[in-house]
Amino acid sequence: AQKVTQAQTEISVVEKEDVTLDCVYETRDTTYYLFWYKQPPSGELVFLIRRNSFDEQNEISGRYSWNFQKSTSSFNFTITASQVVDSAVYFCALSEALLASDSWGKLQFGAGTQVVVTP
Amino acid sequence: DSGVTQTPKHLITATGQRVTLRCSPRSGDLSVYWYQQSLDQGLQFLIQYYNGEERAKGNILERFSAQQFPDLHSELNLSSLELGDSALYFCASSAQGIPASEQYFGPGTRLTVT
Repeated sequence: AQKVTQAQTEISVVEKEDVTLDCVYETRDTTYYLFWYKQPPSGELVFLIRRNSFDEQNEISGRYSWNFQKSTSSFNFTITASQVVDSAVYFCALSEALLASDSWGKLQFGAGTQVVVTP
Repeated sequence: DSGVTQTPKHLITATGQRVTLRCSPRSGDLSVYWYQQSLDQGLQFLIQYYNGEERAKGNILERFSAQQFPDLHSELNLSSLELGDSALYFCASSAQGIPASEQYFGPGTRLTVT
């Protein structure tokens, strides 16, 4: 069974500090995809990144970076030089990629981590 | 703006009633997903449709049903509503034929059952 754990419930930082969000996942599949979504106070879910299980290369996009380590089943997310606009709930999610799977395409979300950035 | 639209934005109804939530996917997307977000359960996958056919089912109650129409819009029907059904219901869509492609979410429908 799939499982995504985001152990941090809330992280509070002062603007310009870096913040790292942890995500640990469980799956029996060898092929899977990992995602991060952002949910700002307005409520919508915003797609941030998608990585497949065969690509462990870390990625940087502006102030965002992701560290995927298959050996520890972790897909952590770092916001560098945080800003007030980064305040949101961040969700890590896992999806199987096996076409024949009954749950193909389903996103299994973690509980989310609330990030509060104060000026 | 994700390109996914959902109506209505808010819905307040009484226990025992039935409601219909509507979703229009992004242009070109054949897959539609429904999710429920509640304080106690978090974000839970309900059901997926692909080009009009049910593709995957999650923790969807028997009182809930969905369908996807030929024009690809989808409706989620919730009946015999209970207080515990109060939640934010999201629709998402994704591109066809791509395994586990990113899903783009609509703004959600906030359902309040009184």
